[in-house]
Amino acid sequence: DAGVIQSPRHEVTEMGQEVTLRCKPISGHNSLFWYRQTMMRGLELLIYFNNNVPIDDSGMPEDRFSAKMPNASFSTLKIQPSEPRDSAVYFCASTLSGGQGAYEQFFGPGTRLTVL
Amino acid sequence: AQSVSQHNHHVILSEAASLELGCNYSYGGTVNLFWYVQYPGQHLQLLLKYFSGDPLVKGIKGFEAEFIKSKFSFNLRKPSVQWSDTAEYFCAVKSSASKIIFGSGTRLSIRP
Repeated sequence: DAGVIQSPRHEVTEMGQEVTLRCKPISGHNSLFWYRQTMMRGLELLIYFNNNVPIDDSGMPEDRFSAKMPNASFSTLKIQPSEPRDSAVYFCASTLSGGQGAYEQFFGPGTRLTVL
Repeated sequence: AQSVSQHNHHVILSEAASLELGCNYSYGGTVNLFWYVQYPGQHLQLLLKYFSGDPLVKGIKGFEAEFIKSKFSFNLRKPSVQWSDTAEYFCAVKSSASKIIFGSGTRLSIRP
């Protein structure tokens, strides 16, 4: 299994531009999570989906942030417009909910976003 | 609301020293507990997990953790650390739905 796949691995953009981060969860997993990691605030959960449905988006910082999961194998996190304070590493994680051995989250390699 | 506390923000040890990183959680019901490790520049990887049964859990790379229900704790231990253990360590708890709450992390630095 290829694990959780994220793209791009690095993104450098100018303030005001739209940024789209992509995630492909592990095949068969039914829950997907978006996290943001910064030195100041550590690891923050932004939003998570169960069976493609957003369950908890209370961690999404502002309306500039939006996330979608159109199908079980793809999710996007969009920032529009981007600001320098959005610079961080964004991780996607997936898990199989329900049953023994559930809830261990598998993390992708992350996208390092720099907004100039 | 459930929460996870890691009291040590940065721990510095010499090689071969013993390690114990503290983790406390606040939730009265059944919990699943995890320790994740993040090596420099890499993503989080699972070290070990507790679901039920033996409260002493053994993980990869010689790490272990003990679930003490009465103390709401799940401390991570290793008898003899190596320079390659330099990383950030995150404790996490799942108590409901699919959401896992992560602690703020403990940065471990090992002096060669």
